[in-house]
Amino acid sequence: GQQLNQSPQSMFIQEGEDVSMNCTSSSIFNTWLWYKQDPGEGPVLLIALYKAGELTSNGRLTAQFGITRKDSFLNISASIPSDVGIYFCAGQSYNQGGKLIFGQGTELSVKP
Amino acid sequence: DTEVTQTPKHLVMGMTNKKSLKCEQHMGHRAMYWYKQKAKKPPELMFVYSYEKLSINESVPSRFSPECPNSSLLNLHLHALQPEDSALYLCASSQGLGGEQYFGPGTRLTVT
Repeated sequence: GQQLNQSPQSMFIQEGEDVSMNCTSSSIFNTWLWYKQDPGEGPVLLIALYKAGELTSNGRLTAQFGITRKDSFLNISASIPSDVGIYFCAGQSYNQGGKLIFGQGTELSVKP
Repeated sequence: DTEVTQTPKHLVMGMTNKKSLKCEQHMGHRAMYWYKQKAKKPPELMFVYSYEKLSINESVPSRFSPECPNSSLLNLHLHALQPEDSALYLCASSQGLGGEQYFGPGTRLTVT
């Protein structure tokens, strides 16, 4: 089946630093989604990507849909303490009935 | 408005109890989903409903019984659960079977 490799698994950074995480797939996706989850809460959608090569920003967040359709990255600039949480990528193919394939998550810790 | 609501927030039940989880959205979305999530792991898809009909059952044990009474509501009926079923249960919805899925805050279920 389809698998997503998300890296890094965890990051410990200083406030103000930039962060980068990425996901790679063994197969092609038509949609990439990036979510952030705080402890005890549901995932919150950060960015949705629909076209190969697409680069989209949402405030301090920037994400790209890889040109091969098999990868995506998320960058966070000038991190702040409230960026702490687990970030999940998710890929989707047209013929999978709405299923999302999730990465294993990147746990971000920010030191003030 | 991208709000999905879930009740209850927390639920503790014994292995012989019967309980239900509820999910509601008023975004006019026609696809709704149940996920199970263990700590620091990605959500695992359980069921997908499209236009109030069950379209995907990811081989979920029959002690979990989903129901979609109308296009805004999704229930998950629980009976004779096991301690290993303790998890965060997430509901999500999307416009159709594809694209952005919006998650609710989840129900934290503990089976004793």
